[in-house]
Amino acid sequence: DQQVKQNSPSLSVQEGRISILNCDYTNSMFDYFLWYKKYPAEGPTFLISISSIKDKNEDGRFTVFLNKSAKHLSLHIVPSQPGDSAVYFCAAKSNNNAGKSTFGDGTTLTVKP
Amino acid sequence: NAGVTQTPKFQVLKTGQSMTLQCAQDMNHEYMSWYRQDPGMGLRLIHYSVGAGITDQGEVPNGYNVSRSTTEDFPLRLLSAAPSQTSVYFCASSSAGTGFSGNTIYFGEGSWLTVV
Repeated sequence: DQQVKQNSPSLSVQEGRISILNCDYTNSMFDYFLWYKKYPAEGPTFLISISSIKDKNEDGRFTVFLNKSAKHLSLHIVPSQPGDSAVYFCAAKSNNNAGKSTFGDGTTLTVKP
Repeated sequence: NAGVTQTPKFQVLKTGQSMTLQCAQDMNHEYMSWYRQDPGMGLRLIHYSVGAGITDQGEVPNGYNVSRSTTEDFPLRLLSAAPSQTSVYFCASSSAGTGFSGNTIYFGEGSWLTVV
């Protein structure tokens, strides 16, 4: 039972346009959500996060939206840049078990110049 | 500024051999975990620890052992390597604090393991 799902394995966008990466979850106990970015041959690095008490968090070009009723979150990148090309992982955790984070399968974003 | 350090970076094993992937962090983090990433798949949790002396199983624990004798170290042991364990392994750590510091996971650079 995959509790965090990223249904789009890949996404291609033009430089300067918006990239929207989606993530769905099934466990209603999750109360903190994070996005990670991963380049080839490197470990994932933290990008942005959101608590379940919020519906939006913004950091520069990156905005994460949370729709708790739909158990859905999305990452918006505006404007997209070629350097944003990477694999993006959605992750979720519960304060009841804070040492354990569950990741989705990732979405490979390609930003074309 | 080491962060999370994993060794070795690359390893080839024969089926049935055992080995240990080392992981150390210098951020005094309470939480540590091991993930594996297979082609086209996400990060699957193998084992995790919420503090020295405490470990628990993740999603795919079979064939692996862990121990946490110190806050800094969290080695992952492959007991009898199988081709199905060919993967990229990531060690990670995070703080038990609240808010941003308590929810950001720091990853090592990965260990590429091939079992033939």
